[in-house]
Amino acid sequence: DAKTTQPNSMESNEEEPVHLPCNHSTISGTDYIHWYRQLPSQGPEYVIHGLTSNVNNRMASLAIAEDRKSSTLILHRATLRDAAVYYCILLTSARQLTFGSGTQLTVLP
Amino acid sequence: DAGITQSPRHKVTETGTPVTLRCHQTENHRYMYWYRQDPGHGLRLIHYSYGVKDTDKGEVSDGYSVSRSKTEDFLLTLESATSSQTSVYFCAISESTLRGPSSYNEQFFGPGTRLTVL
Repeated sequence: DAKTTQPNSMESNEEEPVHLPCNHSTISGTDYIHWYRQLPSQGPEYVIHGLTSNVNNRMASLAIAEDRKSSTLILHRATLRDAAVYYCILLTSARQLTFGSGTQLTVLP
Repeated sequence: DAGITQSPRHKVTETGTPVTLRCHQTENHRYMYWYRQDPGHGLRLIHYSYGVKDTDKGEVSDGYSVSRSKTEDFLLTLESATSSQTSVYFCAISESTLRGPSSYNEQFFGPGTRLTVL
């Protein structure tokens, strides 16, 4: 199965941008890159996804490297409510989400 | 928020007893999933359903069975609970196809059920 590598934890100051990296060197041409996040004591929630081009939505931006072997989730202005575990997931041909350990984001006031 | 409820939200049971967890949706989504989450880990897929009476195994299906007799309900059963099945269980739903060239498979998750097996 295609796998992703993320840092275990990151910190950010409130109202500053946050760049969450993800490596996926074994990605295949048809794998979509998905990001979910899980707030404390809640189920995961969808953040953003992309295939080749950079993507923006109301929650975040996704920057995908030209060779697609890495991507970065960008939160433009972190708030305390963005403190969560962020999961980078490759949606493979089996179309099942396989969660890794994710990155624990701490937002400092 | 997607209309997904799980019941019970908390349960304590003893080893060897049967346990059934229920996931109920009001979105009429075709696909439903059961995951478990253990401390320090991401979610792992147990079983999923792609329609009424259509189910398949996930990554960690041993010791679990599922049933889906109606679109809105997906039941997870532990026939004989063991301490290793102590976990938080999440149900999820999706309307996109599991097999398709343009699917992005956004899943909506329920609030979770915390199960403790003593």
